[in-house]
This record gives sequence, structure tokens and C-alpha cells, in this order.
Amino acid sequence: SQKIEQNSEALNIQEGKTATLTCNYTNYSPAYLQWYRQDPGRGPVFLLLIRENEKEKRKERLKVTFDTTLKQSLFHITASQPADSATYLCALENNAGNMLTFGGGTRLMVKP
Amino acid sequence: DAGVIQSPRHEVTEMGQEVTLRCKPISGHDYLFWYRQTMMRGLELLIYFNNNVPIDDSGMPEDRFSAKMPNASFSTLKIQPSEPRDSAVYFCASSPQTFDEQYFGPGTRLTVT
Repeated sequence: SQKIEQNSEALNIQEGKTATLTCNYTNYSPAYLQWYRQDPGRGPVFLLLIRENEKEKRKERLKVTFDTTLKQSLFHITASQPADSATYLCALENNAGNMLTFGGGTRLMVKP
Repeated sequence: DAGVIQSPRHEVTEMGQEVTLRCKPISGHDYLFWYRQTMMRGLELLIYFNNNVPIDDSGMPEDRFSAKMPNASFSTLKIQPSEPRDSAVYFCASSPQTFDEQYFGPGTRLTVT
């Protein structure tokens, strides 16, 4: 069955360090993968989309990698700040192309 | 643009009552999505529309759930009759192209007692 796995345990890091979140998937052949941020009581906010032919994508302090061989995406936040504290969700389109499935999300806590 | 607008933000109702959630997508977006989020199951796609036409409702849990989009600026998700297990946060999202870069509303927190 298709599965998207994100670390369900919260990631605690010190301000200024690089946060790295992982998204692993099985039985998907995605053309692209997306990352969203969700704050408590709010809807997810789109951050980045990376396509299968792109190994890496950057946006300001954010960097996403996409390894279709390992079936894994890594999401990095460099020079992390307390304001980066949130839950980060990865999302994949299913093989039939008729559904976007989200991972369970990883909560990031950046301490000052 | 004000973004995706949802109403009400909170809804508390008793089991067996009808519940209607409302959504106004971003103007110009051709796709509209309804999601449900719970701690146990995460964020799940229920149904989505393209140009007001329902495309896939395979995520709708059962016949008690129905969704309509009478025009490009309005959609409803109805639960009739509601049950306690329907308690969740329901999100509406819109996008200009299929599943790319979706814009989510603030959600409606539904509690069925």
C-alpha cells in the first residue's frame, strides 16, 4: 500500500542551527513533492514544490532535496529561528493523479 | 485577495443534526478541495472540484457527506446526520492548477456531541 512517513516525534533544535526534516514514501512514483507549514489553529501554507527531475530546490533559508531512488525528500531550514517553530507536512500526488496525500507532519521546535 | 474564506470557524452541534460548512475560494482558481484533519488520520482529501464540477469524491467517508459547488465562488460541505466521529477540522483549499500549490482556508472546527 502507499505510505508517506514523517517523523512523528517533535524535533527540538537550538536557534541558529540547521533543522532537517525527513519525508519517506513507499509505492509512489510522484512527479513532484510538496512541503507545507502548519501553525496551530491555521491551515497549511505552501512552501516549496520540487519535481522529480530536480535534485534540489532553494527558497531563502529553505532547501528541499528529492531522491527518487531512495524515495525520500529532505527539508532543511538553515539559521533556524523561533518563528520557524511549526508543523511541517510533505505531500505527494498518488499514482493515479487524482489525489494529494499528506504525511502526518513533523513538529519543529526552535528554542532561543 | 482575502485568501480562501471559510465559515463558520467553529461549529458545535448535537448528534443527528445537519451541518453545513461553507467555502469561498480565491478568485480565478479553477480547483477547490475539501479536506478533513484529525489527530488519528492526519489531513485527508475528501473531494475536489474542477470548474465547479466534482472530479473525485472517493475520499468522502460515507453517504452522510455531500458537497456542492453551485458557482465558481462558493462551495458547501454538508453532513447529514452528523455523528461524534465526524468531529474534526475541515479545510477548504483552492489552486490554479490541479494539486500544485494549494491555498488553504483557516478551517472549520466541528464538534459533534
